[in-house]
Amino acid sequence: DTGVSQDPRHKITKRGQNVTFRCDPISEHNRLYWYRQTLGQGPEFLTYFQNEAQLEKSRLLSDRFSAERPKGSFSTLEIQRTEQGDSAMYLCASSLERVIHTDTQYFGPGTRLTVL
Amino acid sequence: AQSVTQLGSHVSVSEGALVLLRCNYSSSVPPYLFWYVQYPNQGLQLLLKYTSAATLVKGINGFEAEFKKSETSFHLTKPSAHMSDAAEYFCAVSNYNFGNEKLTFGTGTRLTIIP
Repeated sequence: DTGVSQDPRHKITKRGQNVTFRCDPISEHNRLYWYRQTLGQGPEFLTYFQNEAQLEKSRLLSDRFSAERPKGSFSTLEIQRTEQGDSAMYLCASSLERVIHTDTQYFGPGTRLTVL
Repeated sequence: AQSVTQLGSHVSVSEGALVLLRCNYSSSVPPYLFWYVQYPNQGLQLLLKYTSAATLVKGINGFEAEFKKSETSFHLTKPSAHMSDAAEYFCAVSNYNFGNEKLTFGTGTRLTIIP
């Protein structure tokens, strides 16, 4: 178990540029979540995948944001035409679906995005 | 809708003293409750979770939390603080929702340990 990994760890970009982040979940986990955390706040839910299907998107996820999880393995989160308000830590979490009791989400180290 | 309120954005305790971090939740259905810890520039690590099996939940690093339905609370405690406990702590709630068990987090409590 190598844990959830995210790449890159830090990204600095200029306003208007596109950026893409990658998340590799724990290998057998079928659920994958993206959250966004701004300074001084708790993480906020962005979107959720069950295997390769994107089943829910938050209203925080504007049309400039898109997420994919091809083949139900790694996931990518792309932000087009970045704005300064997109500056945040983007966290990925994965979990294994359980019939009884809730699953436990394991978080990656996050990607910190700074938009200049 | 579900929500979490963490009272006290900053808490300072002396090394060896009791740690008490407060969390109150709001949920229209029986909740699942979690405490996560975050060290600087790192992701979140699960300390403990409540899933209705037992109201007193023991976690890692000597932490525990008690679910009190009448008070809608899930406060985190540790009998004796250690310098390594200095971090940001987040309380979170989720509900089973056709497979999407997204977490709703509080705003966090930064714990400082005084030597």
